Amino acid sequence: DAGVIQSPRHEVTEMGQEVTLRCKPISGHNSLFWYRQTMMRGLELLIYFNNNVPIDDSGMPEDRFSAKMPNASFSTLKIQPSEPRDSAVYFCASSFLNRGDNYGYTFGSGTRLTVV
Amino acid sequence: DAKTTQPTSMDCAEGRAANLPCNHSTISGNEYVYWYRQIHSQGPQYIIHGLKNNETNEMASLIITEDRKSSTLILPHATLRDTAVYYCIVRAAGGYQKVTFGIGTKLQVIP
Repeated sequence: DAGVIQSPRHEVTEMGQEVTLRCKPISGHNSLFWYRQTMMRGLELLIYFNNNVPIDDSGMPEDRFSAKMPNASFSTLKIQPSEPRDSAVYFCASSFLNRGDNYGYTFGSGTRLTVV
Repeated sequence: DAKTTQPTSMDCAEGRAANLPCNHSTISGNEYVYWYRQIHSQGPQYIIHGLKNNETNEMASLIITEDRKSSTLILPHATLRDTAVYYCIVRAAGGYQKVTFGIGTKLQVIP
């Protein structure tokens, strides 16, 4: 398996522009997570999907952020409009969560976003 | 609220065992201890997990105290490639639980 695949690896954009980050989870995993990592705040959970349905979006910072999972093999995180404080590394992770499971999460390589 | 407490940083000589401690004094009976590591510029990587018995895999060993209030991750022969931030988290099995990674322990393996 190729693991969790994220694109792009790096994104530089101007303030006010729309940014879309993409994620392909591991085949067979039923759970997908978007995390954001900064020096100040560490790793923060933004949103969790189970079977393509958003279950916990309490970590989404504000309405400028939105996430979708149209099918089991693809998810997007969109920021519109982007601001300099959104600059961070965004990670996607997937896992198989079910009653009685104890699997770990598999993370992608991340997207480093810079908003200038 | 943080569920685990780890030292901010540790050094280890190359070739020696690295012992990374973690306190989780409020752990519940159904919560597992998980360890991840994050090498610079990469995503976190799952290492090992356990409930109450000691566990070993190809990467590391996990020693959990009898009262389950603390644990130690052991890298038996640390190499320079083990330099990373190591995260200890607790999570219940069986479905979703919001996971907080915290700050972790920055392990520096010294030649």
